[in-house]
Amino acid sequence: EAGVAQSPRYKIIEKRQSVAFWCNPISGHATLYWYQQILGQGPKLLIQFQNNGVVDDSQLPKDRFSAERLKGVDSTLKIQPAKLEDSAVYLCASSLFGDYYTEAFFGQGTRLTVV
Amino acid sequence: ILNVEQSPQSLHVQEGDSTNFTCSFPSSNFYALHWYRWETAKSPKALFVMTLNGDEKKKGRISATLNTKEGYSYLYIKGSQPEDSATYLCAGYSDNNAGNMLTFGGGTRLMVKP
Repeated sequence: EAGVAQSPRYKIIEKRQSVAFWCNPISGHATLYWYQQILGQGPKLLIQFQNNGVVDDSQLPKDRFSAERLKGVDSTLKIQPAKLEDSAVYLCASSLFGDYYTEAFFGQGTRLTVV
Repeated sequence: ILNVEQSPQSLHVQEGDSTNFTCSFPSSNFYALHWYRWETAKSPKALFVMTLNGDEKKKGRISATLNTKEGYSYLYIKGSQPEDSATYLCAGYSDNNAGNMLTFGGGTRLMVKP
């Protein structure tokens, strides 16, 4: 079974530039998550989709971050403009139903460095 | 959003030592507790999903227990090996009006010395 695919793996940008990350979840998985993991901390949920609807985006800094899930499959996360504090690993995960007993499957993440 | 806490933040043990970590969460509004292992340069992988008070799960040398009434879970590793070196994350499931949310703790970073 193919896993969750993310690209790019690494990205270095200057502050105030824009960046986009892409995620392809496991086929058939209805729930898609974007997490931000800052060094030394646990993953923080940015946004959760159920099919192409948003379940929660309460921790997404909406003045600079946006996310969409096209046709309930692939998803992109964009940062515009980037700040130094956005340096982190961005993890995409998917699960079959998003129910409490269903494990999440993660991609390898995108490591973003803002200089 | 659940407040999930893990301790210790990091742990160094010798090969062969047994060790355990703690995950605590609010006992109200609890649905499930997940444990994940995240090895360097890899993606986090699920170890256990636990839902019932008193649940005990085991996978090889790793086991976990769950106490939903007092709001904690323990992860045990028996006879640690260098390949057990990883960050161990726990995550709690809570419910908001729109649906379920998986909230992670800060993780416990385990380093096993040969």
